[in-house]
Amino acid sequence: DAEITQSPRHKITETGRQVTLACHQTWNHNNMFWYRQDLGHGLRLIHYSYGVHDTNKGEVSDGYSVSRSNTEDLPLTLESAASSQTSVYFCASSESEWGNEQFFGPGTRLTVL
Amino acid sequence: GQNIDQPTEMTATEGAIVQINCTYQTSGFNGLFWYQQHAGEAPTFLSYNVLDGLEEKGRFSSFLSRSKGYSYLLLKELQMKDSASYLCAVRVYQAGTALIFGKGTTLSVSS
Repeated sequence: DAEITQSPRHKITETGRQVTLACHQTWNHNNMFWYRQDLGHGLRLIHYSYGVHDTNKGEVSDGYSVSRSNTEDLPLTLESAASSQTSVYFCASSESEWGNEQFFGPGTRLTVL
Repeated sequence: GQNIDQPTEMTATEGAIVQINCTYQTSGFNGLFWYQQHAGEAPTFLSYNVLDGLEEKGRFSSFLSRSKGYSYLLLKELQMKDSASYLCAVRVYQAGTALIFGKGTTLSVSS
């Protein structure tokens, strides 16, 4: 069955370290998204991509980067992790056509000490 | 800017009907989504409205009024498993198919 996976599911890191969170989907969806979810803020968009080599900044993109070298993967990199980036990160994907729902991965809980 | 408001918490009893409201102020509106999220899990899609009116899907219905910037999710015949957070999200033309989420409404269903 087609699916969307994230790894790792849990990670603890130190301030200043570079961290990469993986997202892989097997639906062959062109659209992929990264969100973070924090108490009191809900889900907030970090970056998104509409196809290979396409990336766009979302509402809270500072301190994060993404790259899209193939259809299946959209890794999220924290260049220099900060305690404010402690959060649960969700990856999602959708087909190109308007109206299609986004399918979410299981999430990665990141703690920055 | 974009703003989406929902109540923070609601409670209801098994078998009852509950209505979760969502109001939004956005430019370039292009559709409204409802998602369900159980604690510790990923959001899952419930419904989508782009035109005014009611969309019904089994026990769940969603309504949209674009002129009022208003939507609601109606849950009938509540079950304990409906205890979850319900997320209202808006799509705007400027962000393509990306979604802007409200903070979510936590629904607790008791017996």
